[in-house]
Amino acid sequence: ILNVEQSPQSLHVQEGDSTNFTCSFPSSNFYALHWYRWETAKSPEALFVMTLNGDEKKKGQISATLNTKEGYSYLYIKGSQPEDSATYLCAFIDNFNKFYFGSGTKLNVKP
Amino acid sequence: NAGVTQTPKFQVLKTGQSMTLQCAQDMNHEYMSWYRQDPGMGLRLIHYSVGAGITDQGEVPNGYNVSRSTTEDFPLRLLSAAPSQTSVYFCASRGSGGALNEQFFGPGTRLTVL
Repeated sequence: ILNVEQSPQSLHVQEGDSTNFTCSFPSSNFYALHWYRWETAKSPEALFVMTLNGDEKKKGQISATLNTKEGYSYLYIKGSQPEDSATYLCAFIDNFNKFYFGSGTKLNVKP
Repeated sequence: NAGVTQTPKFQVLKTGQSMTLQCAQDMNHEYMSWYRQDPGMGLRLIHYSVGAGITDQGEVPNGYNVSRSTTEDFPLRLLSAAPSQTSVYFCASRGSGGALNEQFFGPGTRLTVL
């Protein structure tokens, strides 16, 4: 069984705070890493697709970095807003194109 | 484009019954997958397909069958439902390039097996 771990499990921040979470994955057989944003009662939506060691991606106030050698990725949110409240999922994809999801970090941003 | 569609949205079955969860996409995507989502466990891959006529097992395939006769459709069959299959099921698709492309999810089917 392949383990993809996300931490923390949940996070409560105030509006305007910056925050970050971690996705840890095996450093072998790496093909790609995806980050998703999942709002309650909706479907997961893709944020980033990352493939190369050292990759950095940015979308608005959200950014992500990737370290495939040590097996981790960070997701950063600068100046959190209440609408950023969601569960953030990462998925490790192996060389056989199989997806392994972490259990997510649930972010709650209080106004 | 409708994107990825799933039917039904909700279903209640009795133990031992069989049923098919439907999934369709209109984006001409080669890759399609089925996941189940259980509390505290994230999404787990059941089966996936890299194109019409080709399917493979994911992490938790037991008790489920799939087929891919067309690019658009990827139904998931529960052969003999068990309470352990109570879950929310998501279908997803992505284009050629596999995991290098973002994945699009359907709205989910909430299944309860009594």
